[in-house]
This record gives sequence, structure tokens and C-alpha cells, in this order.
Amino acid sequence: DAGITQSPRHKVTETGTPVTLRCHQTENHRYMYWYRQDPGHGLRLIHYSYGVKDTDKGEVSDGYSVSRSKTEDFLLTLESATSSQTSVYFCAISDYDGNEQFFGPGTRLTVL
Amino acid sequence: DQQVKQNSPSLSVQEGRISILNCDYTNSMFDYFLWYKKYPAEGPTFLISISSIKDKNEDGRFTVFLNKSAKHLSLHIVPSQPGDSAVYFCAAREETSGSRLTFGEGTQLTVNP
Repeated sequence: DAGITQSPRHKVTETGTPVTLRCHQTENHRYMYWYRQDPGHGLRLIHYSYGVKDTDKGEVSDGYSVSRSKTEDFLLTLESATSSQTSVYFCAISDYDGNEQFFGPGTRLTVL
Repeated sequence: DQQVKQNSPSLSVQEGRISILNCDYTNSMFDYFLWYKKYPAEGPTFLISISSIKDKNEDGRFTVFLNKSAKHLSLHIVPSQPGDSAVYFCAAREETSGSRLTFGEGTQLTVNP
């Protein structure tokens, strides 16, 4: 299994509070991704990174920001959480030439 | 708009029979397709893939078929086993988008003993 961890694994927070989710990899892969999974929508890309300090938006990036200051860490921040951001969040990684993405175990976020 | 669609939210089959999961896409620029399997409380795991230059790829009990003219792909599992019960996601990559993937909604497969 690819070495990907996500923290926290579960979080309950209140509307309006900031939340940061962390993805950590030990594979030295160049590309990292954040997805959310919701019923009826599958996996939707939030943001991705193609190198340290290099990030770009995905299809559902509104309300989210990311940072990647080291190869191994990719942070997803909800500046002011809303109930619509209640979801399961997955981090994924891939290497330069890879077509396949490896996923972390997920973080279940509930915004009350 | 949903560029990758899995129109069947669920599928139930008997152990030993064939499972066929379907996926349709609208973007003709997709050049690589993948299937992922997901168990509850775990991340998706890669299952099998196919390039647009092929129409079939086989790996053990799993075969993926691609019909480019119909913009349709399917995953066949033969024989189906109870351990195959999971959510299956179809995904596609556009040749100009690097490694970014677009996923379908997923199909819950249940294999009954």
C-alpha cells in the first residue's frame, strides 16, 4: 500500500469555524489531490498540487484553499466551514508518469 | 455537467455469476480509463485500467471493455465473489489534463452468497 495518511480521521465542527485537514505521504510522489465524496456525486476534485508550492483548482474549489510547503504534506483548509462542506474527504497521490492515483483512508467531516 | 456517468447506483448478483458494471462518458478527449473499488471506511483502490487505443484489458477475474464510438466502458467480474461487494467507481483522464481524473458517481455491487 502507498504510504498515505490523513489526519484527523473524523472531525465535528461548527459552522463558521476554520478547519484544516492534513495529508501526509512517504512515497515522494510529485502529484497530490484533494477530493470530496458525496452520495450521488462520486469523487469530485477540490484542489491538486503538481509540486511544492504549485497548486491549482479542481471542479469544486469554492470555499477551500490548499498549501504544499513540503513534498510530503498537502493541507486542505476550510476558512469558514459551512454545512454544505459536510463530506468525506480523500487525499490521493500519483507519480510523474503514473496514471493511477493512490488514495488515503479519508477524513469524515461534519459541520453542524 | 457530469462527464462520466454510472447510471446504475446499485447492482446485485449471485455468487459465481457475472457482474457487469457500466460507465458512459461524454468527453471525446478522454484517453485513459480506470476502475476503482471502495470498501466502507476505506479509500478507493485501483482495480484495472484501459488505454483508449485498446478495446479490452483483462486481469484475472476482471475485464474492462471500451467502446469508443459509443463512449461506453464496462467492467466484467467473473466469477463474482462475496468479497467483491463494494462501490465501484469509473474514472477517466483527459490527455491534456495531466494526471487529473474525472470520476463517475459509483455503483454499489452486492454479491450474494
